[in-house]
Amino acid sequence: DVKVTQSSRYLVKRTGEKVFLECVQDMDHENMFWYRQDPGLGLRLIYFSYDVKMKEKGDIPEGYSVSREKKERFSLILESASTNQTSMYLCASSSTSGGASETQYFGPGTRLLVL
Amino acid sequence: GQSLEQPSEVTAVEGAIVQINCTYQTSGFYGLSWYQQHDGGAPTFLSYNGLDGLEETGRFSSFLSRSDSYGYLLLQELQMKDSASYFCAVFRGSTLGRLYFGRGTQLTVWP
Repeated sequence: DVKVTQSSRYLVKRTGEKVFLECVQDMDHENMFWYRQDPGLGLRLIYFSYDVKMKEKGDIPEGYSVSREKKERFSLILESASTNQTSMYLCASSSTSGGASETQYFGPGTRLLVL
Repeated sequence: GQSLEQPSEVTAVEGAIVQINCTYQTSGFYGLSWYQQHDGGAPTFLSYNGLDGLEETGRFSSFLSRSDSYGYLLLQELQMKDSASYFCAVFRGSTLGRLYFGRGTQLTVWP
């Protein structure tokens, strides 16, 4: 069974803290994605990665960075957390093989509160 | 850039049929996907249309018209458990697998 896991379901951090959100997939997928989801705004892409050590900016990369040192793990880093980064963060993965790259599998999400 | 338009809310009663429309503007269009998300849950894949026409999966069907830049998700025999948000997403055909999501439609099913 396909599985994407995220390190925390809920996280509370202080303004200015460095925050790490971890995502692990067990499907040997090449592509991994980080989204944030806010009410009424849908899913907005922050960063994505199509291979180990490769990354591409999405639509809202400012204030974030990512790391992909291993194929199964994709980390999102908030360098200096701010209150406007309070949100739901969703990780997803997809395969490039067999023409299946249009299907993404999502993790359960991390609800981050920055005080 | 890309833009997708879908209604923000739809309501219906159990047993009814509901259609959620999605219109899009994008270059390099390849296909349209639909995802379902229950409150507090993760989005889950429902369907993908790479060709014009209707794709049926049980009670759910999805339709695409490339010439009209339009698609819809059709939910039949509605059940309370279908209350969720539904997102359309454009796929531009790259193996990088990037999707462009609409803002979502909140479906409420009443008994």
